[in-house]
Amino acid sequence: KAGVTQTPRYLIKTRGQQVTLSCSPISGHRSVSWYQQTPGQGLQFLFEYFSETQRNKGNFPGRFSGRQFSNSRSEMNVSTLELGDSALYLCASSFGTSVPSDTQYFGPGTRLTVL
Amino acid sequence: SQQGEEDPQALSIQEGENATMNCSYKTSINNLQWYRQNSGRGLVHLILIRSNEREKHSGRLRVTLDTSKKSSSLLITASRAADTASYFCATDPGAGTASKLTFGTGTRLQVTL
Repeated sequence: KAGVTQTPRYLIKTRGQQVTLSCSPISGHRSVSWYQQTPGQGLQFLFEYFSETQRNKGNFPGRFSGRQFSNSRSEMNVSTLELGDSALYLCASSFGTSVPSDTQYFGPGTRLTVL
Repeated sequence: SQQGEEDPQALSIQEGENATMNCSYKTSINNLQWYRQNSGRGLVHLILIRSNEREKHSGRLRVTLDTSKKSSSLLITASRAADTASYFCATDPGAGTASKLTFGTGTRLQVTL
């Protein structure tokens, strides 16, 4: 079974630009979650999509948005990039049910550098 | 914001020794999960323990959970150089807030030969 894939793996952008990151979940998984990892703030939850609907959202500004397609693939977009958006962006997929418990499987991440 | 703290922040041991790391969290949970991360790469799921479980084993890993103290520990026995990584605990609040893990601050484990 193929794991979670993320593209691109590395990205360099300049302030003010926008960026789109892509995540393909494990086959059969309907939930995709996104996380931001920085040295200062650690791992923080961005949002979760389940069956093409945003089901959960973290405390990030509206510049961060996402969507999910009918095949469960997800994209995350960041507009008007700021230096502080430099981070490792991780996506995770799961079946999307918490009964009894739901393991999340992470992709390798996209390293975004904003200059 | 992060759910909790992990202790210690860094741990250095020799190959063959046991490594214990602790995690504390703040709110009620459905389950708690431990992940490993090698140097800026993706997270690898290690083990999940449900809120009604007290101890779980997987290979060289032993996890305990004390919901009354809101704490968990991860024990790696007979450590190997390949265990060198950062270890994170993550709490899942459960149904209704599915798939929203809150991570701890992590423990950096260094295993030397």
